[in-house]
Amino acid sequence: QKEVEQDPGPLSVPEGAIVSLNCTYSNSAFQYFMWYRQYSRKGPELLMYTYSSGNKEDGRFTAQVDKSSKYISLFIRDSQPSDSATYLCAMRVGSNYQLIWGAGTKLIIKP
Amino acid sequence: GAVVSQHPSRVICKSGTSVKIECRSLDFQATTMFWYRQFPKQSLMLMATSNEGSKATYEQGVEKDKFLINHASLTLSTLTVTSAHPEDSSFYICSARPPTGLQETQYFGPGTRLLVL
Repeated sequence: QKEVEQDPGPLSVPEGAIVSLNCTYSNSAFQYFMWYRQYSRKGPELLMYTYSSGNKEDGRFTAQVDKSSKYISLFIRDSQPSDSATYLCAMRVGSNYQLIWGAGTKLIIKP
Repeated sequence: GAVVSQHPSRVICKSGTSVKIECRSLDFQATTMFWYRQFPKQSLMLMATSNEGSKATYEQGVEKDKFLINHASLTLSTLTVTSAHPEDSSFYICSARPPTGLQETQYFGPGTRLLVL
């Protein structure tokens, strides 16, 4: 079993829909949770950074962390075709800056 | 802030030659940089962790003599693929860890696409 599980998709939704992306993990020591967006043939771009449990909102993006369920989510409101990309979750323990990655979910927003 | 650049963005070389890829943190000093490899439709695979002024730490299965890493300054790390072969063709991405004060995670370069003929 992988430490971080993420459905690779693809996930295809119409423009304007609310998108929900998720990851589950097994290591209860993870404290920092990130979502990165990666366009084709580009490096990952940090979208959301969360410490411990709770919600964090930034514009159309909301990140949720539920440590009791070992489950993290990224919501995208009013999705746009430009949001089409691969979304990778990543997490780490407190003392180590190495990231443990999900497989990435390919998201397609249809105009 | 936290901008990381890579050069070149793409390179094509003949089998047996060596290729150097540079990773620079443009607006911060990075004591730690990371090198990843990514195959099509797959997630990132960590190759090595590079600390300024010391030897890199390689992940299991990554050949140290094949992938030479030099982190000579706080803003520059280089990856040299020695005697490249077609199976080394891949997308190589570096990342850098910024100092405290910024979000404590990794910031990535745009990647280098290597094609070995």
